[in-house]
Amino acid sequence: ILNVEQSPQSLHVQEGDSTNFTCSFPSSIFYALHWYRWETAKSPEALFVMTLNGDEKKKGRISATLNTKEGYSYLYIKGSQPEDSATYLCASTGTASKLTFGTGTRLQVTL
Amino acid sequence: DVKVTQSSRYLVKRTGEKVFLECVQDMDHENMFWYRQDPGLGLRLIYFSYDVKMKEKGDIPEGYSVSREKKERFSLILESASTNQTSMYLCASSSLGTGIGYNEQFFGPGTRLTVL
Repeated sequence: ILNVEQSPQSLHVQEGDSTNFTCSFPSSIFYALHWYRWETAKSPEALFVMTLNGDEKKKGRISATLNTKEGYSYLYIKGSQPEDSATYLCASTGTASKLTFGTGTRLQVTL
Repeated sequence: DVKVTQSSRYLVKRTGEKVFLECVQDMDHENMFWYRQDPGLGLRLIYFSYDVKMKEKGDIPEGYSVSREKKERFSLILESASTNQTSMYLCASSSLGTGIGYNEQFFGPGTRLTVL
């Protein structure tokens, strides 16, 4: 079983702050890296799927980078808003067949 | 709007009961998954299926079985529920694409199962 780690476990920021989280995964066996956002009482939703070293993806105020050589990905949120409050999950796949999820970073954005 | 639905949001069962959790997707996806979520642990894969009548064990299959008789439906079965199976259960689906790991997964809303 892969070891996928996320940090921090939780984060509390003010509206307008920018923030970032880290996802670490084994660099020796890598196929793809997924980021999901999971809001309370809703279903997890995919943000990004990344496969190439150096890849950068952006969706509105949220962006992600990938370093497969050193085994990490960063998720950035620029100008956090209360609606960004959620748990952010990353998942890596060491084979083409299944994902291993980290424990998530819980973000709370207050006014 | 793509959708993965699960039969119940909340379920309370007694130890030893046989429990069925149903999942239906309307996206014509080949792959379907069952995960469980427990506090302090990531989503853990129980079973997945890449085709009708096909199933593969995930990381924690013990105590569970699955059934996929139709493409759109994937059922998780707890043959004899135990208290340590109290958890949030999430179903997901994804298209075949170039491999399961490359394709985003679409999740259902989850079923919170309590076994007394």
